Amino acid sequence: AQSVAQPEDQVNVAEGNPLTVKCTYSVSGNPYLFWYVQYPNRGLQFLLKYITGDNLVKGSYGFEAEFNKSQTSFHLKKPSALVSDSALYFCAVRGYGGYNKLIFGAGTRLAVHP
Amino acid sequence: SAVISQKPSRDICQRGTSLTIQCQVDSQVTMMFWYRQQPGQSLTLIATANQGSEATYESGFVIDKFPISRPNLTFSTLTVSNMSPEDSSIYLCSVITSGRPYEQYFGPGTRLTVT
Repeated sequence: AQSVAQPEDQVNVAEGNPLTVKCTYSVSGNPYLFWYVQYPNRGLQFLLKYITGDNLVKGSYGFEAEFNKSQTSFHLKKPSALVSDSALYFCAVRGYGGYNKLIFGAGTRLAVHP
Repeated sequence: SAVISQKPSRDICQRGTSLTIQCQVDSQVTMMFWYRQQPGQSLTLIATANQGSEATYESGFVIDKFPISRPNLTFSTLTVSNMSPEDSSIYLCSVITSGRPYEQYFGPGTRLTVT
């Protein structure tokens, strides 16, 4: 069965510092991996995806994520955090082929302090 | 990406009543889904809305409680029936488009409070 783990409920970082939000996954076969962001009282916004190819994928708002097959991880990163990055971040996985069911992690709240 | 709208954006309903949530997409999509996000929780898939046929429900969700319609490629409704306070959640419509088959987009959500 597919599953996603986000081990941190909250990540605190100072503005201007690099940030990492962790995600590990479990899926049969090659995974399709995604990051979404949710701002207060708004829907989910797509940030980036890994389907195949380069392990480092770049997405919206300066975010990037690194796919590590041996560690089954897909951590979200940004070189320099902004206060406006404060939001709820969800990692999600879809198994290869067949039914396109997207499974979400529990979410990590990112707080960027001035 | 697809532009997805949902109506209503929020509602406060009485226990025992039903609410129908509408989802409209600005382009034809290959797949439509309904998710629930309970307070402080992650997203849980309720069902896949199939055009012209019965929706495919996930474990723990049943058609009598969450009837779904999808009469065409751009529109779907989710009804939350015989509501109880436990149904208080954000309900989100989600789509996959033919142009970007690996990306899934979400509507703004409907915030439902049951009193």
